[in-house]
Amino acid sequence: EVQMVESGGDLVQPGESLRLSCAASGFTFSNYVMNWVRRAPGKGLEWVSYIDTSSETIYYADSVKGRFSISRDNAKNSLYLQMNNLRDEDTAVYYCARDWGRSQPRWFFDLWGRGTLVTVSS
Amino acid sequence: ENVLTQSPGTLSLSPGERVTLSCRASQSVSSTYLAWYQAKVGQAPRLLMYGISSRATGIPDRFSGSGSGTDFTLTINRLEPEDFAVYYCQQYGSPPLTFGGGTKVELK
Repeated sequence: EVQMVESGGDLVQPGESLRLSCAASGFTFSNYVMNWVRRAPGKGLEWVSYIDTSSETIYYADSVKGRFSISRDNAKNSLYLQMNNLRDEDTAVYYCARDWGRSQPRWFFDLWGRGTLVTVSS
Repeated sequence: ENVLTQSPGTLSLSPGERVTLSCRASQSVSSTYLAWYQAKVGQAPRLLMYGISSRATGIPDRFSGSGSGTDFTLTINRLEPEDFAVYYCQQYGSPPLTFGGGTKVELK
């Protein structure tokens, strides 16, 4: 079955760190560029970060730049998001999302995980 | 950034009805770079439409997309029980890509 499963979400205090993981299965993970997208409570979706197939090209939303770090391990079919210095406004469900364009980004997403909840609160 | 505004926020409808969801962009969307997604609580969001009017794999033809420039529409003909969900539009014509705030289609 083609799917992605996120994990690592938790309740943390402001300033703390968290690492999210996304395990992909049923497709050739290394052939696809990947993204993280989040949905804060009561708000719409927000793109967070992008990584290409070889981890050479990486982008971040301004809201997380300097605090979050995206990475991938193609041998383990896994995507990661290291989140440091977390803020209240980072509270959200975090989704990994596969780009429709495979190795050439098209910037819309044809496969998502169910998400993992990150809550930042004191 | 290109801000997308979806309206209405919530629609209360019955199965079998036709629904039209609106997505308005603050700037013209480049080319045909607009997509729609369906999201349900506890489930993975699902790509419905891309390139304004192209249906994603496996999406039934009761879903259709239209529009240009700054105004876009997702139409669902004959609502099915499984269509009650939140719908998001997304533009990918200019960075950063952005999403709308969503329209919830709920059972009346």
